[in-house]
Amino acid sequence: AQKITQTQPGMFVQEKEAVTLDCTYDTSDQSYGLFWYKQPSSGEMIFLIYQGSYDEQNATEGRYSLNFQKARKSANLVISASQLGDSAMYFCAMREWYSGAGSYQLTFGKGTKLSVIP
Amino acid sequence: DADVTQTPRNRITKTGKRIMLECSQTKGHDRMYWYRQDPGLGLRLIYYSFDVKDINKGEISDGYSVSRQAQAKFSLSLESAIPNQTALYFCATSDSGDNTEAFFGQGTRLTVV
Repeated sequence: AQKITQTQPGMFVQEKEAVTLDCTYDTSDQSYGLFWYKQPSSGEMIFLIYQGSYDEQNATEGRYSLNFQKARKSANLVISASQLGDSAMYFCAMREWYSGAGSYQLTFGKGTKLSVIP
Repeated sequence: DADVTQTPRNRITKTGKRIMLECSQTKGHDRMYWYRQDPGLGLRLIYYSFDVKDINKGEISDGYSVSRQAQAKFSLSLESAIPNQTALYFCATSDSGDNTEAFFGQGTRLTVV
């Protein structure tokens, strides 16, 4: 079963509008972390925002916020006031404990391609 | 200078050739990772290392090997490259804290013909 599910292969948003990118996750652990990364067309992976499983408040970083709904196992990324430079692939990732490996590992979703329309 | 540097950035190689992708970091992190990215599949973990003496297989380690030459250096080898290893490869590092982000290199685009 997929650990991280991003159901939107592609999204369009009008410039200056807000957009929500969906992410659901599957884990039986109580302690885990959720991350969002941005990958522009140049290819690099840029860290955007982090949410810990015990954090009671939703994480925010500038125009990025994470809508964390623990009971629903969702960690949606909200981008406010979209800009043309926000056009990119966005990946949701989860760090959880893998008992077989005796370590934490980071697992990525398949990504959502966001296109911002002028 | 980038904190995580991958060389080469682009490489075309022939089937059956041995190739090494190198990664070095200046962040002082103990943990290093190799991922591959394929269109529509996201990033998948190939190998990871939590210190110089620690090497672990990830989700898709078959056909790959790694070497942790020093805390700052982690190389990925394809002993006999095949076309389905054509992909974008990322090296990443993280601190030893459980929920710290991973820092990525700029990627190596490998094409096996």
